[in-house]
Amino acid sequence: DTAVSQTPKYLVTQMGNDKSIKCEQNLGHDTMYWYKQDSKKFLKIMFSYNNKELIINETVPNRFSPKSPDKAHLNLHINSLELGDSAVYFCASSHSTESYEQYFGPGTRLTVT
Amino acid sequence: AQSVTQLGSHVSVSEGALVLLRCNYSSSVPPYLFWYVQYPNQGLQLLLKYTTGATLVKGINGFEAEFKKSETSFHLTKPSAHMSDAAEYFCAVRTSGGSNYKLTFGKGTLLTVNP
Repeated sequence: DTAVSQTPKYLVTQMGNDKSIKCEQNLGHDTMYWYKQDSKKFLKIMFSYNNKELIINETVPNRFSPKSPDKAHLNLHINSLELGDSAVYFCASSHSTESYEQYFGPGTRLTVT
Repeated sequence: AQSVTQLGSHVSVSEGALVLLRCNYSSSVPPYLFWYVQYPNQGLQLLLKYTTGATLVKGINGFEAEFKKSETSFHLTKPSAHMSDAAEYFCAVRTSGGSNYKLTFGKGTLLTVNP
C-alpha cells in the first residue's frame, strides 16, 4: 500500500552508461515530480508533469529525459551518465487543486563510477 | 521568485529541551509554506503546512510552526525534543494556485538530540 514507490532503490553504474528510474504513485494525484538531492542534501526540482504533460523543466542537461505514460507513473531516463550525476533522486506527487503538499518516494541512490 | 533561507545548518539540543528551527522566506505572492523531515536514508515526510487561515499550524510528532508575515518567517518548534526527532528538516515555499508551481527548498537543518 505504498503511496509513492521508486525502483530501484540503489543503482551503481559506470560512466557512459544509460539507466532508468521508475516511479509510481497510487494516491490518485495528477502531478508528479523528479527532484535531485546532492551530497550536501540540497534538494532541487528537475521536472514536473501534470496529467502527463511536462509543465516544469528546470535547467537540466538533455541527457535527462522524463516520461509519463499515465498520471500514475513518471520515469526518468539518463543517457551517458557522468560522475556528477551521482545523487539521490526523489519522485514526488501531489494534487494540483485539492491539496498542496507533495508526497515523496523513498529515493533512488545513483552512484556513477 | 521565491526563496527559502534556513538559519543554521546544524542544531543540537538535549533530550527534553526546546527545538527551534528557523526558516525565512521570500515570495512575491502569498506563500504556501511547508516543513518536511527526512530521516536517514529515507524520503521526505510532511510535518506541517501553512496555506491560509490560522497562522499557528500544528503538525505531526508534536511540531508546530507559526507564519509571521511581517517577519517573513515560518519557524518550526517543539517544546520537548525526543531522541527520535534527530533528522534533517527542510523548509519549503511554493506560490499559490494552479498546477504550474514548484517547491523551493531551503538547504536543510540537521537536528541532533543528545541524551
